[in-house]
Amino acid sequence: NAGVMQNPRHLVRRRGQEARLRCSPMKGHSHVYWYRQLPEEGLKFMVYLQKENIIDESGMPKERFSAEFPKEGPSILRIQQVVRGDSAAYFCASSPQGQGTEAFFGQGTRLTVV
Amino acid sequence: KQEVTQIPAALSVPEGENLVLNCSFTDSAIYNLQWFRQDPGKGLTSLLLIQSSQREQTSGRLNASLDKSSGRSTLYIAASQPGDSATYLCAVGQGGSEKLVFGKGTKLTVNP
Repeated sequence: NAGVMQNPRHLVRRRGQEARLRCSPMKGHSHVYWYRQLPEEGLKFMVYLQKENIIDESGMPKERFSAEFPKEGPSILRIQQVVRGDSAAYFCASSPQGQGTEAFFGQGTRLTVV
Repeated sequence: KQEVTQIPAALSVPEGENLVLNCSFTDSAIYNLQWFRQDPGKGLTSLLLIQSSQREQTSGRLNASLDKSSGRSTLYIAASQPGDSATYLCAVGQGGSEKLVFGKGTKLTVNP
């Protein structure tokens, strides 16, 4: 059973470009979470999704950020018009049944905005 | 608002020593607590999950305890090895939501 797969592992974007981060949860997991880790900071929750539904996006910046988890395919975190402050490690996690069950994390995507 | 604090921020010990990492949280309304390990430039590896109704969990040389009423958890590592060097993160599952709230971690270095 492969773990949580994220790609790309590293992504470099120029200011103003779009960044697309992909996450395939573990097999059998229908709950997906995105977290952001800024340099010297702890991981911060961004968004929680189930298939085709955004359940909690309370940690998402109001502008330029969006997330989806379609019926088929990976979850996507999309950042439009990236700025230097978006440079961070973005981690995806999945769990089989949500609250109370163990969360498994991917290797992360390290976004650098130049 | 839940806040998770990990002390110390960094710890350096000689190989073979037993050690304790501390985690405290401000809101006791949690449904679980999870300890992770993060290696430089890598993802998070889940070490132990303690449900709110449990007092401790053990896996190999690791033992985690939870005192929900006092808002504390400890991760005990026995007979430390250089391969244990990493950053250890504590995260609480916040009641009423699906999010994990993380501490900033303890960076552990085990010297041969």
